[in-house]
Amino acid sequence: EAQVTQNPRYLITVTGKKLTVTCSQNMNHEYMSWYRQDPGLGLRQIYYSMNVEVTDKGDVPEGYKVSRKEKRNFPLILESPSPNQTSLYFCASRPLTGSYEKLFFGSGTQLSVL
Amino acid sequence: AQKVTQAQTEISVVEKEDVTLDCVYETRDTTYYLFWYKQPPSGELVFLIRRNSFDEQNEISGRYSWNFQKSTSSFNFTITASQVVDSAVYFCALSESDGNNRLAFGKGNQVVVIP
Repeated sequence: EAQVTQNPRYLITVTGKKLTVTCSQNMNHEYMSWYRQDPGLGLRQIYYSMNVEVTDKGDVPEGYKVSRKEKRNFPLILESPSPNQTSLYFCASRPLTGSYEKLFFGSGTQLSVL
Repeated sequence: AQKVTQAQTEISVVEKEDVTLDCVYETRDTTYYLFWYKQPPSGELVFLIRRNSFDEQNEISGRYSWNFQKSTSSFNFTITASQVVDSAVYFCALSESDGNNRLAFGKGNQVVVIP
């Protein structure tokens, strides 16, 4: 089954403790992206990657890191999480054939930073 | 920069009523793509429809219909004869054809269907 898999689904952590949210897709998509969703703000893009070793900042990259060492994986790293990073996070992927392609989303990761 | 506005934050309707969600967008591109996604209470994002800027034909899919009007930069979504299962957050989104590859989302409409 074609899917984007995020883990974990829920995560509670404390300020300053480094964490990684994993994302993997099995559709051989070149393009992958991370979004965060906050009440009243919709979804905002954090980082995106157009292929292996190619990443770029989205609208709200501060406090986050990403890497794209393999085509299928695009982990989101919070080196020193803070409470304002409490949010619902979505990973997404699509082919790079064009911006008309729909995004395939993971199930989301609800992160709480205490 | 591309921008999507969904003005109504929460809309409550009684079951079987129709509900229309407004989406107004801004872009400098002549080629762009508009999307609607549904987010049910379970949290996942479900793709509903995609429309390109050259195709202004309205679309109907069951109880869902979409009205794209380029002249007013709007891509509105109507649910006819709403059902409780339609209770969700609905997002309108815009993708431009340049190399940015960003899908810009509106803030979403929370639809509550009251039985």
